[in-house]
Amino acid sequence: QKEVEQNSGPLSVPEGAIASLNCTYSDRVSQSFFWYRQYSGKSPELIMSIYSNGDKEDGRFTAQLNKASQYVSLLIRDSQPSDSATYLCAVNRAAGNKLTFGGGTRVLVKP
Amino acid sequence: GAGVSQTPSNKVTEKGKYVELRCDPISGHTALYWYRQSLGQGPEFLIYFQGTGAADDSGLPNDRFFAVRPEGSVSTLKIQRTERGDSAVYLCASSRLAGGSTDTQYFGPGTRLTVL
Repeated sequence: QKEVEQNSGPLSVPEGAIASLNCTYSDRVSQSFFWYRQYSGKSPELIMSIYSNGDKEDGRFTAQLNKASQYVSLLIRDSQPSDSATYLCAVNRAAGNKLTFGGGTRVLVKP
Repeated sequence: GAGVSQTPSNKVTEKGKYVELRCDPISGHTALYWYRQSLGQGPEFLIYFQGTGAADDSGLPNDRFFAVRPEGSVSTLKIQRTERGDSAVYLCASSRLAGGSTDTQYFGPGTRLTVL
């Protein structure tokens, strides 16, 4: 079992719809969770970070964390073609600093 | 600088050669990280520096890989006797605080290494 798992996609959504991305992790001591967006050929760019259970909203993005279920998700509302990218889920343990990444979910927003 | 910079952006080398990849972190960032990303996969942790010292090098795949950060700023990742399997994008990241699980890591543009 991988430490951080994501569906590789592609997740195809029509413009204006909600894109829902999921991520599960295996290490129960994980404390910090991050969503990065990566355009093809570019480096990862931080979109959201979340540390406590519940929802965190930032603009069109909402991150949801459920530590009991070891599950973190990202919702993209009013999806735009510019949201087409690979979304990487990353997890950080309490005592460490290294990020453990999932394989990423490729999102395609169709006009 | 405004962001993390990495040089070169692309490096093509032959199997068995030695390469050096450079990372210049965001000014004032204490922590520096190296990751490696193969095609279609997420980044994989290699090593983390806190100041000049390597705080965690558990991700280095073998002793052909070595990294230094002698003055606590610029870091160099060194790969000896390169192999075709070393081909990947090498990403550098830095963070402001001296480590911590809530620290945000900012990534550079990466160096694409191709070993022929």
